[in-house]
Amino acid sequence: GAGVSQSPSNKVTEKGKDVELRCDPISGHTALYWYRQSLGQGLEFLIYFQGNSAPDKSGLPSDRFSAERTGGSVSTLTIQRTQQEDSAVYLCASSSRGVNNEQFFGPGTRLTVL
Amino acid sequence: DQQVKQNSPSLSVQEGRISILNCDYTNSMFDYFLWYKKYPAEGPTFLISISSIKDKNEDGRFTVFLNKSAKHLSLHIVPSQPGDSAVYFCAAKSCVRFGAGTRLTVKP
Repeated sequence: GAGVSQSPSNKVTEKGKDVELRCDPISGHTALYWYRQSLGQGLEFLIYFQGNSAPDKSGLPSDRFSAERTGGSVSTLTIQRTQQEDSAVYLCASSSRGVNNEQFFGPGTRLTVL
Repeated sequence: DQQVKQNSPSLSVQEGRISILNCDYTNSMFDYFLWYKKYPAEGPTFLISISSIKDKNEDGRFTVFLNKSAKHLSLHIVPSQPGDSAVYFCAAKSCVRFGAGTRLTVKP
């Protein structure tokens, strides 16, 4: 079965431009997470969607970051007016609402802001 | 705030020996803990988990120990194999927070 997919796999952009990163979770998974990993750093939680509940946005680093999840499936992470410190690998994960709560990760999108 | 901490950024062990990776947390509301393994250029993959109602969970060469009073968990890999070389993240539920990761290198 298909896992979590993300697109694009690589994105190079100029400082000040907006970017959109896409995540397709595993079908039927109600929870979706966005993380980022900067060079030499751990995984940083960004935002969490669970079903139709209001998302947990507590990890978003600034108001330039936003995310949507349409129809409870595909999610888009948008970064406006990108800065060089936004350069990182952005990872998406999804999980079912079960006892295990194991998260399945996508391959990530490597964002480079020049 | 870093609610999940992995204070050792790297660890090197000999093949066949035990690898012990440590993780500390501060939020006593966490009730489920997970370990993930990450190879370069790939997303993390789930390895093993433990519920707060247990203090040990074993799966093959991997065992996770939980000490709730100390808010500490550890992952034991025995015997360690070169294929185990990766970055290991511990995570705590809910509103999952990851530690910074520990890079394990198993030398043949």
